[in-house]
Amino acid sequence: ETGVTQTPRHLVMGMTNKKSLKCEQHLGHNAMYWYKQSAKKPLELMFVYSLEERVENNSVPSRFSPECPNSSHLFLHLHTLQPEDSALYLCASSQSRRWTDEQFFGPGTRLTVL
Amino acid sequence: AQTVTQSQPEMSVQEAETVTLSCTYDTSESDYYLFWYKQPPSRQMILVIRQEAYKQQNATENRFSVNFQKAAKSFSLKISDSQLGDAAMYFCASTSGGGADGLTFGKGTHLIIQP
Repeated sequence: ETGVTQTPRHLVMGMTNKKSLKCEQHLGHNAMYWYKQSAKKPLELMFVYSLEERVENNSVPSRFSPECPNSSHLFLHLHTLQPEDSALYLCASSQSRRWTDEQFFGPGTRLTVL
Repeated sequence: AQTVTQSQPEMSVQEAETVTLSCTYDTSESDYYLFWYKQPPSRQMILVIRQEAYKQQNATENRFSVNFQKAAKSFSLKISDSQLGDAAMYFCASTSGGGADGLTFGKGTHLIIQP
């Protein structure tokens, strides 16, 4: 595998389910990001991790719980979601948190909440 | 806070023709970067071109070039000799040292290539 990978690519879940999204980067980067891409809205930054420490949480509801066990893996744990949480969830990584570092994106997980 | 605005939800161009996608931005920072990303149907967001605000020269990458008007806070993308593989969503984005981590994106422009 190369670049940034995300699994699953598609996920359908009920509002009472618990599921997790996984992101893995094979680039040796130290910063990882979760973005939400909703229809007709700009991508929204959700969380930022640097060296496995969460450094940003953009007022995301607690039903989204990120986890970064090491610098290569990032998870987004989901529970009791709402239909409006249906969106494409993109993971990205960069060499560091420096704003000048390029971010590399994964293909995303298309989430549908019923 | 930074904002990025793309006023064209959709654009269409004939194959081999030239198309320009518009983007305006607002920032209080003096040092920032601007980007154009391409998101094809496969959904993988790919960096097309990057412009550093302190550089006056417009960035160019093969058939892709930008028209960076700093005073007007305008950053348009020109695609020359359009190809079928250029069909995608195009997002304008910005980042700066004084802003939050991560990129600020526009809503995107859907580019259709007519054969």
